[in-house]
Amino acid sequence: GAVVSQHPSWVICKSGTSVKIECRSLDFQATTMFWYRQFPKQSLMLMATSNEGSKATYEQGVEKDKFLINHASLTLSTLTVTSAHPEDSSFYICSVLLAQGNTSTDTQYFGPGTRLTVL
Amino acid sequence: DAKTTQPTSMDCAEGRAANLPCNHSTISGNEYVYWYRQIHSQGPQYIIHGLKNNETNEMASLIITEDRKSSTLILPHATLRDTAVYYCIVRPRIIKIIFGKGTRLHILP
Repeated sequence: GAVVSQHPSWVICKSGTSVKIECRSLDFQATTMFWYRQFPKQSLMLMATSNEGSKATYEQGVEKDKFLINHASLTLSTLTVTSAHPEDSSFYICSVLLAQGNTSTDTQYFGPGTRLTVL
Repeated sequence: DAKTTQPTSMDCAEGRAANLPCNHSTISGNEYVYWYRQIHSQGPQYIIHGLKNNETNEMASLIITEDRKSSTLILPHATLRDTAVYYCIVRPRIIKIIFGKGTRLHILP
C-alpha cells in the first residue's frame, strides 16, 4: 500500500481566516491526489481531483475560489479553505492514487483526515 | 458508474466471521469491485478488490458471484477493531471514488 499523511490533524480557527491543510505521499510519487470532506454522520464527498503541475478539477457545487488546491510536487498537495465560515467545519480527507501500470487496478490510499472547526 | 446496494447496518459476534453483502446488478464487464472501510474519525482504509475471481489477502476475502451481480466481503475472525463503516464500490478504474452510505458493522463482545 501507500502511506499518506495530513497536517494538521485538527485545527480551530476564527471565522474569516484562511486555513491550509497539507497532504503528503510519504513513500511514492503521486501524480494524482483527491480531496474529500465529510460532515458528521454522512459519507465522504469528493471535492476535487488534483493533478501534479496542473489545475485541479472540482466537483459540481464546490467553489474553486474558496477551496484552493495546489499540487506543486509529486508528494505534496495542499487545500486552503479561504475566508472560512462555521459551515466549512468538517472532516477533510485526502487520498493518493497508486498507479500500478494497469488503470483497472490502480488503488487509492487515504490520509488520516483533518478536522476543521471554524468558530 | 454501477450503483451498489448495501445493508445499512449489521451486527457480528466477536470471533465469528463477518459477511458483508453488496449488490451491484448493473456492473459492467470492465468494472472492478473495491472494498474500503472507515473506522470512526479516521480516513478510509483499502481492504481488497477483485474483477471476477475470488480474492483473499491478510485482511479479508472477497467472493464475487459468477454473474458478478453481487459480492460478499468476509472478515474471517472479527474483532472489536473491525467495527467500522464498510463501503462497496464498483468502478472501471479506481480514479475518483464516489462513496455511498456503506454498511455500519458492529462487532459485539
